[in-house]
Amino acid sequence: EVQLLESGGGLVQPGGSLRLSCAASGFSFSSYGMSWVRQAPGKGLEWVSVISGSGGSTYYADSVKGRFTISRDNSKNTLYLQMNSLRAEDTAVYYCAKARGCSSTSCYRSKEGFDPWGQGTLVTVSS
Amino acid sequence: DIQMTQSPSSLSASVGDRVTITCRASQSISSYLNWYQQKPGKAPNLLIYAASSLQSGVPSRFSGSGSGTDFTLTISSLQPEDFTTYYCQQTYSTPWTFGQGTKVEIK
Repeated sequence: EVQLLESGGGLVQPGGSLRLSCAASGFSFSSYGMSWVRQAPGKGLEWVSVISGSGGSTYYADSVKGRFTISRDNSKNTLYLQMNSLRAEDTAVYYCAKARGCSSTSCYRSKEGFDPWGQGTLVTVSS
Repeated sequence: DIQMTQSPSSLSASVGDRVTITCRASQSISSYLNWYQQKPGKAPNLLIYAASSLQSGVPSRFSGSGSGTDFTLTISSLQPEDFTTYYCQQTYSTPWTFGQGTKVEIK
């Protein structure tokens, strides 16, 4: 069974940092792109970032570019999101998802959607 | 960046109704369009990918169509478990973007 399990969320002060993890199982992790999507309380979905299977290509939403870094450790089947200079508007549930359709080297374009998704981890940025 | 606009933002319908949700892209995205269903407190679930391909395990009452800039999600006969929120997403070019969502409510 394909599973994704996020961890690392919590309460952090504005300007602080947090690292989220997403442990994957049940599929060949290094063969797939992986993405982060967030959802602020009561709001819609916002795509955050994606990384290719090899880890060599990364892409970001403008709202997080320069502050967030996506990475992966294929030996540990784990995806990461390093979040720095956090702001109140970063408060959200963060989901990881398997980005099907990416090549091993690029995730600029994908025709197969996100499946599955993890259960999400809540990040709250507040003083 | 490509903007995705869903309409309507919400709708009221009854069990058994045929429902159509529209998603419009600000520029052509070919058929790089996905649809998700999200129930309260849960992660989204992929329904349709590549505009019209039904995800494995998704009931056949869900269907998608369109290409270029205009897309539709159709539920042929609404079931009680379908009253929830739906999102479109373009994966044609990064930054990948979602529509604002359509909430389907019970009339």
